[in-house]
Amino acid sequence: GQNIDQPTEMTATEGAIVQINCTYQTSGFNGLFWYQQHAGEAPTFLSYNVLDGLEEKGRFSSFLSRSKGYSYLLLKELQMKDSASYLCAVDNAGNNRKLIWGLGTSLAVNP
Amino acid sequence: DAGVIQSPRHEVTEMGQEVTLRCKPISGHDYLFWYRQTMMRGLELLIYFNNNVPIDDSGMPEDRFSAKMPNASFSTLKIQPSEPRDSAVYFCASSSNPKGVSGTDTQYFGPGTRLTVL
Repeated sequence: GQNIDQPTEMTATEGAIVQINCTYQTSGFNGLFWYQQHAGEAPTFLSYNVLDGLEEKGRFSSFLSRSKGYSYLLLKELQMKDSASYLCAVDNAGNNRKLIWGLGTSLAVNP
Repeated sequence: DAGVIQSPRHEVTEMGQEVTLRCKPISGHDYLFWYRQTMMRGLELLIYFNNNVPIDDSGMPEDRFSAKMPNASFSTLKIQPSEPRDSAVYFCASSSNPKGVSGTDTQYFGPGTRLTVL
């Protein structure tokens, strides 16, 4: 079957670094998305990884290991506004255009 | 760019009533997706269209749900009759390349419609 696992909740302190993990088991794999969703708002695109390795984009970085079925999102210099849910989604390379979504990790940043 | 537009933003109705949700995708995007989000089940894809044609509706819960896309700038999701278990946030998203290979052509979500069925 298709499965994506993320921690349900995480807490961190303003100014710190936090790593949000995502493991997946899918029938195929083209790439992996990370989205951010603030409470009551729509998901917004953060990153898309196709190849193994780390991709850095400002305070946010995303890592992928295709052989291990593993990704993480790294948030540096945390700010209060980073409190949100972070969704991991896999493009499983099927004939359809569906993404397989994780349930999301709710991150609370405390002062 | 106005982004994906959805209406209404909030809808409260009684069980048995018909509900129609509306979506205007980003101009030039040829894929449109309807999602439902709940705490228990997360984000679920209901149906998606390519060039106004429904491609995969396997996520539509049952016959009470139907979706149309009469033209490139408008889509509707209808629930008839509505039930309390349909209460959720319904998102519409559009994309010009749903695979997002470059990272720039990705799914853009509308603000969602929060549906409450009493």
